[in-house]
Amino acid sequence: EAGVTQSPTHLIKTRGQQATLRCSPISGHTSVYWYQQALGLGLQFLLWYDEGEERNRGNFPPRFSGRQFPNYSSELNVNALELEDSALYLCASSLYWEGAEAFFGQGTRLTVV
Amino acid sequence: KQEVTQIPAALSVPEGENLVLNCSFTDSAIYNLQWFRQDPGKGLTSLLLIQSSQREQTSGRLNASLDKSSGRSTLYIAASQPGDSATYLCAVRRTDSSYKLIFGSGTRLLVRP
Repeated sequence: EAGVTQSPTHLIKTRGQQATLRCSPISGHTSVYWYQQALGLGLQFLLWYDEGEERNRGNFPPRFSGRQFPNYSSELNVNALELEDSALYLCASSLYWEGAEAFFGQGTRLTVV
Repeated sequence: KQEVTQIPAALSVPEGENLVLNCSFTDSAIYNLQWFRQDPGKGLTSLLLIQSSQREQTSGRLNASLDKSSGRSTLYIAASQPGDSATYLCAVRRTDSSYKLIFGSGTRLLVRP
């Protein structure tokens, strides 16, 4: 069974541009979470989607946004990129249940130059 | 506010040693606690999930315990191998509507041949 897949693996963008990151959850999982792991910082929660709806949002500016599609895949959009947006972006999926195990993808390394 | 702390931050041991990684959290109102492994620049691999009603979980050479009342979890690795070298992260899922995981900063483990 396929795990959580993310694309692209690496992404290089110029400051001010927009970046789009994609995530496909494990089959049967309806919840998708996005996390940011910047160098020297821990994993910070960005967004949670379930059944196409944004359920919760972390302490990030509005230029971080996303959506979830009917097939439960998701994309994260980052507008007006800043140098400090350079990080590993991780996507996780789980069942919609408070005790559910979270499974992570391999991440997208975003570099803003 | 939930805070998760992992001690030690880094650990270097010779191959074959049994070792214990520690995780503490400030708020016992959690649904579960999950241990992950992260190789450099890669995503997270789920190792063990302990529900709040459970005391421990085992998988192969790994054993994780949970003492919710004292806000502590330990990950025990038996007979360590060089392939165990990685960063180990613990995360708790809060009992609120956010469903998000709160991560510790990790323990960086090096097992020397």
